[in-house]
Amino acid sequence: DADVTQTPRNRITKTGKRIMLECSQTKGHDRMYWYRQDPGLGLRLIYYSFDVKDINKGEISDGYSVSRQAQAKFSLSLESAIPNQTALYFCATSDPRTGGNFQETQYFGPGTRLLVL
Amino acid sequence: SQKIEQNSEALNIQEGKTATLTCNYTNYSPAYLQWYRQDPGRGPVFLLLIRENEKEKRKERLKVTFDTTLKQSLFHITASQPADSATYLCALGDYKLSFGAGTTVTVRA
Repeated sequence: DADVTQTPRNRITKTGKRIMLECSQTKGHDRMYWYRQDPGLGLRLIYYSFDVKDINKGEISDGYSVSRQAQAKFSLSLESAIPNQTALYFCATSDPRTGGNFQETQYFGPGTRLLVL
Repeated sequence: SQKIEQNSEALNIQEGKTATLTCNYTNYSPAYLQWYRQDPGRGPVFLLLIRENEKEKRKERLKVTFDTTLKQSLFHITASQPADSATYLCALGDYKLSFGAGTTVTVRA
Protein backbone atom coordinates (compact mmCIF):
# COMPACT_ATOMS: atom_id res chain seq x y z
CA ASP A 1 0.00 0.00 0.00
CA ALA A 2 1.66 3.19 -1.22
CA ASP A 3 0.07 5.12 1.66
CA VAL A 4 2.39 3.35 4.08
CA THR A 5 6.05 3.18 3.15
CA GLN A 6 8.93 1.42 4.82
CA THR A 7 12.66 1.89 4.40
CA PRO A 8 14.82 0.03 3.79
CA ARG A 9 13.04 -2.83 2.03
CA ASN A 10 15.93 -5.18 2.63
CA ARG A 11 18.74 -5.02 5.12
CA ILE A 12 21.64 -7.25 6.02
CA THR A 13 23.51 -6.45 9.20
CA LYS A 14 25.87 -8.08 11.63
CA THR A 15 25.35 -9.17 15.20
CA GLY A 16 25.76 -6.28 17.62
CA LYS A 17 25.02 -3.52 15.14
CA ARG A 18 22.37 -0.89 15.79
CA ILE A 19 19.89 -0.46 13.00
CA MET A 20 16.77 1.59 12.39
CA LEU A 21 13.76 0.74 10.30
CA GLU A 22 11.58 3.62 9.25
CA CYS A 23 7.90 3.92 8.50
CA SER A 24 6.01 6.83 6.99
CA GLN A 25 2.31 7.17 6.24
CA THR A 26 0.16 9.60 4.33
CA LYS A 27 -3.16 8.21 5.54
CA GLY A 28 -3.45 10.72 8.38
CA HIS A 29 -3.94 7.95 10.92
CA ASP A 30 -3.04 8.47 14.55
CA ARG A 31 -2.33 4.82 15.33
CA MET A 32 0.81 3.10 14.15
CA TYR A 33 2.21 -0.36 14.81
CA TRP A 34 5.33 -2.44 14.33
CA TYR A 35 5.08 -6.20 13.78
CA ARG A 36 7.50 -8.95 12.99
CA GLN A 37 6.56 -12.02 10.99
CA ASP A 38 8.29 -15.34 11.21
CA PRO A 39 7.33 -18.45 9.21
CA GLY A 40 4.58 -20.38 10.96
CA LEU A 41 4.23 -17.84 13.77
CA GLY A 42 2.14 -15.17 12.14
CA LEU A 43 2.40 -11.51 12.94
CA ARG A 44 3.55 -10.53 16.41
CA LEU A 45 3.20 -7.03 17.80
CA ILE A 46 6.41 -5.31 18.87
CA TYR A 47 5.27 -1.76 19.72
CA TYR A 48 2.28 0.42 19.04
CA SER A 49 1.51 4.11 19.29
CA PHE A 50 -1.93 5.70 19.48
CA ASP A 51 -0.57 9.21 19.04
CA VAL A 52 2.73 11.05 19.12
CA LYS A 53 2.85 11.06 22.92
CA ASP A 54 1.52 7.55 23.47
CA ILE A 55 3.83 4.57 22.92
CA ASN A 56 3.21 1.10 24.25
CA LYS A 57 5.00 -2.23 24.31
CA GLY A 58 3.55 -5.16 22.44
CA GLU A 59 4.07 -8.84 23.11
CA ILE A 60 7.71 -9.02 21.99
CA SER A 61 9.33 -5.64 22.72
CA ASP A 62 12.58 -6.91 24.29
CA GLY A 63 15.58 -5.87 22.19
CA TYR A 64 13.60 -3.21 20.33
CA SER A 65 12.84 0.47 20.81
CA VAL A 66 10.69 2.93 18.89
CA SER A 67 10.39 6.63 18.22
CA ARG A 68 7.28 8.47 17.04
CA GLN A 69 8.77 11.55 15.46
CA ALA A 70 5.49 12.88 14.10
CA GLN A 71 1.99 11.66 13.37
CA ALA A 72 3.26 10.33 10.07
CA LYS A 73 6.53 8.72 11.18
CA PHE A 74 7.25 5.76 13.43
CA SER A 75 10.71 4.22 13.60
CA LEU A 76 11.83 0.89 15.01
CA SER A 77 15.36 0.40 16.32
CA LEU A 78 17.28 -2.72 17.13
CA GLU A 79 19.82 -1.53 19.66
CA SER A 80 22.15 -4.49 19.27
CA ALA A 81 20.97 -6.85 16.57
CA ILE A 82 21.06 -10.60 17.13
CA PRO A 83 20.47 -13.44 14.63
CA ASN A 84 17.05 -14.39 16.04
CA GLN A 85 15.81 -10.94 15.08
CA THR A 86 16.06 -12.05 11.47
CA ALA A 87 12.50 -11.66 10.23
CA LEU A 88 10.10 -9.71 8.06
CA TYR A 89 9.07 -6.45 9.74
CA PHE A 90 5.85 -4.64 9.00
CA CYS A 91 4.57 -1.23 9.91
CA ALA A 92 0.82 -0.65 10.00
CA THR A 93 -1.58 2.21 10.63
CA SER A 94 -5.21 2.47 11.63
CA ASP A 95 -7.99 4.87 12.36
CA PRO A 96 -10.65 3.06 14.39
CA ARG A 97 -13.28 5.70 13.70
CA THR A 98 -13.59 4.54 10.07
CA GLY A 99 -17.06 4.96 8.64
CA GLY A 100 -18.66 5.91 11.92
CA ASN A 101 -18.28 2.42 13.35
CA PHE A 102 -15.44 1.55 15.62
CA GLN A 103 -13.19 -0.96 13.90
CA GLU A 104 -9.49 -1.57 14.18
CA THR A 105 -8.74 -2.23 10.49
CA GLN A 106 -5.04 -1.94 9.81
CA TYR A 107 -3.18 -0.84 6.70
CA PHE A 108 0.23 -2.36 6.22
CA GLY A 109 3.42 -1.22 4.59
CA PRO A 110 5.35 -3.43 2.15
CA GLY A 111 7.68 -4.78 4.84
CA THR A 112 11.40 -4.79 5.55
CA ARG A 113 13.27 -8.04 5.24
CA LEU A 114 16.04 -8.08 7.84
CA LEU A 115 18.88 -10.58 8.00
CA VAL A 116 21.18 -10.51 11.02
CA LEU A 117 24.39 -12.44 10.50
CA SER B 1 -4.16 -17.12 27.28
CA GLN B 2 -5.73 -15.92 24.06
CA LYS B 3 -5.19 -18.12 21.07
CA ILE B 4 -6.11 -18.02 17.38
CA GLU B 5 -5.83 -21.15 15.26
CA GLN B 6 -6.25 -21.38 11.52
CA ASN B 7 -6.69 -24.65 9.73
CA SER B 8 -3.91 -26.49 8.00
CA GLU B 9 -1.09 -24.38 6.73
CA ALA B 10 -1.79 -25.09 3.07
CA LEU B 11 -4.90 -25.67 0.98
CA ASN B 12 -4.64 -26.77 -2.64
CA ILE B 13 -7.76 -26.60 -4.77
CA GLN B 14 -8.81 -26.77 -8.39
CA GLU B 15 -9.87 -23.62 -10.18
CA GLY B 16 -13.61 -23.08 -9.95
CA LYS B 17 -13.99 -24.91 -6.64
CA THR B 18 -14.77 -23.36 -3.28
CA ALA B 19 -12.03 -22.93 -0.71
CA THR B 20 -13.10 -22.97 2.93
CA LEU B 21 -10.75 -21.70 5.60
CA THR B 22 -11.30 -21.95 9.34
CA CYS B 23 -10.37 -19.62 12.16
CA ASN B 24 -10.92 -20.82 15.72
CA TYR B 25 -10.23 -18.75 18.79
CA THR B 26 -10.15 -19.19 22.55
CA ASN B 27 -10.25 -16.76 25.46
CA TYR B 28 -11.59 -13.93 23.32
CA SER B 29 -14.97 -12.22 23.27
CA PRO B 30 -14.49 -10.21 20.10
CA ALA B 31 -16.86 -7.53 18.93
CA TYR B 32 -15.72 -8.30 15.38
CA LEU B 33 -13.35 -10.47 13.40
CA GLN B 34 -11.34 -9.58 10.31
CA TRP B 35 -9.78 -11.41 7.38
CA TYR B 36 -6.69 -10.24 5.52
CA ARG B 37 -4.92 -11.44 2.41
CA GLN B 38 -1.14 -11.58 2.19
CA ASP B 39 0.84 -12.17 -0.99
CA PRO B 40 4.46 -13.39 -0.77
CA GLY B 41 6.82 -10.63 0.32
CA ARG B 42 4.03 -8.10 0.78
CA GLY B 43 2.05 -6.67 3.66
CA PRO B 44 -1.40 -8.01 4.60
CA VAL B 45 -4.37 -6.35 2.94
CA PHE B 46 -7.75 -6.03 4.63
CA LEU B 47 -10.57 -8.00 3.00
CA LEU B 48 -13.60 -8.28 5.24
CA LEU B 49 -14.82 -7.48 8.73
CA ILE B 50 -17.75 -9.24 10.39
CA ARG B 51 -19.33 -8.09 13.65
CA GLU B 52 -20.59 -10.29 16.46
CA ASN B 53 -24.21 -9.57 15.60
CA GLU B 54 -23.72 -10.56 11.94
CA LYS B 55 -23.94 -14.19 10.91
CA GLU B 56 -22.62 -13.74 7.40
CA LYS B 57 -20.86 -11.15 5.27
CA ARG B 58 -20.20 -11.22 1.54
CA LYS B 59 -17.91 -9.33 -0.79
CA GLU B 60 -17.89 -10.43 -4.41
CA ARG B 61 -16.78 -14.11 -4.34
CA LEU B 62 -15.84 -14.00 -0.67
CA LYS B 63 -18.11 -15.04 2.18
CA VAL B 64 -17.39 -14.96 5.89
CA THR B 65 -19.42 -16.45 8.71
CA PHE B 66 -19.00 -15.82 12.40
CA ASP B 67 -20.27 -18.11 15.13
CA THR B 68 -19.56 -16.63 18.55
CA THR B 69 -20.93 -19.73 20.29
CA LEU B 70 -18.51 -22.04 18.50
CA LYS B 71 -15.84 -19.31 18.59
CA GLN B 72 -15.23 -19.86 14.93
CA SER B 73 -15.19 -18.01 11.63
CA LEU B 74 -15.32 -19.62 8.21
CA PHE B 75 -13.91 -17.87 5.14
CA HIS B 76 -15.10 -19.07 1.75
CA ILE B 77 -13.70 -18.26 -1.67
CA THR B 78 -16.23 -19.35 -4.27
CA ALA B 79 -15.46 -19.98 -7.96
CA SER B 80 -11.79 -19.81 -7.05
CA GLN B 81 -9.23 -18.48 -9.52
CA PRO B 82 -5.44 -18.79 -9.66
CA ALA B 83 -5.29 -15.09 -8.71
CA ASP B 84 -6.82 -16.04 -5.35
CA SER B 85 -3.62 -17.89 -4.45
CA ALA B 86 -2.28 -16.22 -1.32
CA THR B 87 -2.09 -16.57 2.45
CA TYR B 88 -5.21 -15.59 4.34
CA LEU B 89 -5.03 -14.34 7.91
CA CYS B 90 -7.77 -13.94 10.46
CA ALA B 91 -7.43 -11.24 13.09
CA LEU B 92 -9.15 -10.46 16.38
CA GLY B 93 -8.99 -7.63 18.83
CA ASP B 94 -10.58 -4.33 19.70
CA TYR B 95 -7.70 -1.88 19.95
CA LYS B 96 -4.82 -4.25 19.30
CA LEU B 97 -5.09 -7.00 16.75
CA SER B 98 -3.88 -10.54 17.17
CA PHE B 99 -3.37 -12.51 13.99
CA GLY B 100 -3.56 -16.17 13.21
CA ALA B 101 -0.59 -17.80 11.48
CA GLY B 102 -2.53 -17.93 8.21
CA THR B 103 -3.63 -20.51 5.68
CA THR B 104 -1.91 -20.60 2.31
CA VAL B 105 -4.28 -21.24 -0.57
CA THR B 106 -3.04 -22.43 -3.95
CA VAL B 107 -5.56 -22.55 -6.79
CA ARG B 108 -4.56 -24.81 -9.68
CA ALA B 109 -5.64 -23.90 -13.19
